[in-house]
Amino acid sequence: GENVEQHPSTLSVQEGDSAVIKCTYSDSASNYFPWYKQELGKRPQLIIDIRSNVGEKKDQRIAVTLNKTAKHFSLHITETQPEDSAVYFCAAPHMEYGNKLVFGAGTILRVKS
Amino acid sequence: SAVISQKPSRDICQRGTSLTIQCQVDSQVTMMFWYRQQPGQSLTLIATANQGSEATYESGFVIDKFPISRPNLTFSTLTVSNMSPEDSSIYLCSVVKGLNTEAFFGQGTRLTVV
Repeated sequence: GENVEQHPSTLSVQEGDSAVIKCTYSDSASNYFPWYKQELGKRPQLIIDIRSNVGEKKDQRIAVTLNKTAKHFSLHITETQPEDSAVYFCAAPHMEYGNKLVFGAGTILRVKS
Repeated sequence: SAVISQKPSRDICQRGTSLTIQCQVDSQVTMMFWYRQQPGQSLTLIATANQGSEATYESGFVIDKFPISRPNLTFSTLTVSNMSPEDSSIYLCSVVKGLNTEAFFGQGTRLTVV
């Protein structure tokens, strides 16, 4: 099945700096790559996703880039704020059942003010 | 979008007992999923709850331990049976409304087995 690796496991940045989280996936047929944010004690929520027909997608301070050749995608957060502190998960669809998601291990992002 | 109501939000249970977790969705969905999230860890898929057929379990999870019901397109239950302290975790239900679309999650059930 699909295998998703996520790095780093923890990331500390100063408020206002940028943060980048990277994920690699194994199935070259995968075509949908979402990112979820999970605040402490809360449910995961989608913050941005990208499909394989584009290389980059932006939504205000958040962007996702996709390199299908290298099979990796990255989350970029610019001008980080304390409220960006959370756990971030990347995901990719299961090879056989596209509605099932395989999640990366997660990245704990701490934004220091 | 989809709004999911999951309950209980938390429980403390004695080992050897069972707990049933419920998820109610505000609209009909074909596929519902159950995940386990151990403290500080990622989400691990337990099974896919299919309406009208048996659930499909992932490697390492079995029906006897985690029986699932899916009586209709808006509701599902997950039972954690014969619990041991190793079952202490957060359990989340999730739905997707179409291929390669956003997954929505319930608020989770924090289970502690003592």
